[in-house]
Amino acid sequence: AQSVSQHNHHVILSEAASLELGCNYSYGGTVNLFWYVQYPGQHLQLLLKYFSGDPLVKGIKGFEAEFIKSKFSFNLRKPSVQWSDTAEYFCAVNGWNAGNMLTFGGGTRLMVKP
Amino acid sequence: DAGITQSPRHKVTETGTPVTLRCHQTENHRYMYWYRQDPGHGLRLIHYSYGVKDTDKGEVSDGYSVSRSKTEDFLLTLESATSSQTSVYFCAISESGVLRYNEQFFGPGTRLTVL
Repeated sequence: AQSVSQHNHHVILSEAASLELGCNYSYGGTVNLFWYVQYPGQHLQLLLKYFSGDPLVKGIKGFEAEFIKSKFSFNLRKPSVQWSDTAEYFCAVNGWNAGNMLTFGGGTRLMVKP
Repeated sequence: DAGITQSPRHKVTETGTPVTLRCHQTENHRYMYWYRQDPGHGLRLIHYSYGVKDTDKGEVSDGYSVSRSKTEDFLLTLESATSSQTSVYFCAISESGVLRYNEQFFGPGTRLTVL
């Protein structure tokens, strides 16, 4: 079975601060990893994804994530957050033998103060 | 945005009543999914469909049934709603089931309250 843990449930930052949201997964094999964002009142949108190759993945809006296989981690980073980044962020995993099943973490709610 | 609509967008119902939520897509994608979103749990898969009349259970399927008679429509039914089914329900679609080549696109959600 696959599972995902997001240890930071709520994060509050000031504008221009750096962001790192933790994501750890559990799966005994090769994985595909995703970060989704949900802005207030909106549906989920894909921020970035990792399938293979370079473990440092760049996504939209200046976000990036690094896959560290030895730590089973896929942390999301942004060097300088903006008020418009206020949202809930979800990490998700899809094991290669799990077909089309996506398993999501519990989410991290980010508030950026202007 | 992917062409996904959900109806209704908001619904309040009473315990024991049947409820049907509809997901409609205009992308002609083969796969469709129903998730529920609850605080602290992220999104959990209820059921999914891999073609017309082809469906399978997800992680939290108890108390829910689904049907897909047309490529574009995927219905989620709560036969007898309970308060534990109060949640936000999201529909998603993907072109194929191989997620390393295809992402899932999400609809706007339906907020269901069971009193």
